[in-house]
Amino acid sequence: EPEVTQTPSHQVTQMGQEVILRCVPISNHLYFYWYRQILGQKVEFLVSFYNNEISEKSEIFDDQFSVERPDGSNFTLKIRSTKLEDSAMYFCASIGVGAYEQYFGPGTRLTVT
Amino acid sequence: AQSVTQLGSHVSVSEGALVLLRCNYSSSVPPYLFWYVQYPNQGLQLLLKYTTGATLVKGINGFEAEFKKSETSFHLTKPSAHMSDAAEYFCAVTHTGTASKLTFGTGTRLQVTL
Repeated sequence: EPEVTQTPSHQVTQMGQEVILRCVPISNHLYFYWYRQILGQKVEFLVSFYNNEISEKSEIFDDQFSVERPDGSNFTLKIRSTKLEDSAMYFCASIGVGAYEQYFGPGTRLTVT
Repeated sequence: AQSVTQLGSHVSVSEGALVLLRCNYSSSVPPYLFWYVQYPNQGLQLLLKYTTGATLVKGINGFEAEFKKSETSFHLTKPSAHMSDAAEYFCAVTHTGTASKLTFGTGTRLQVTL
């Protein structure tokens, strides 16, 4: 069964450093998302992406964040200068055309020290 | 704007007992509703969904949920809990039309005891 994959599973970085989180959505899906979950809190929407541009973004998704689909398979989330409060689990999700359910990857746990 | 309220951050049931996890939503347009399950250190797995049609929907692992528009609810049930059901459960809502963002509730941690 096709699945969304994410790498790395765990990333530790120092405050102020740039990180790139990678996702490979399900191959025939066209809509992509990033969500985050701070430890013990609910899952929060960050950004949605379709046709090589951002469809919607939340207030969390400020200028420090960017997304990119550099090729036909990868979808990345970049945080330019990480802060302590960026420590969270980051989930990538994708959805097929005409479908309603989003399929989530296993997540990347980002720890900022 | 949409929102989801999950009553009870922790629910404990005995193995074999009924599982009832509550979810109420708020949406200005017809909602699409979902339940996801998260096992420890894992991602989110879709349990079931309601889009249109039959209001009682069945999902994986014996779970089902009923959409009640008059009560703005989408409670998750399972007749008989199993130890393997211990996990965090999230209710989520999006509005009609594909590709919309999901708005999640705060989650309910289900504990199953012997």
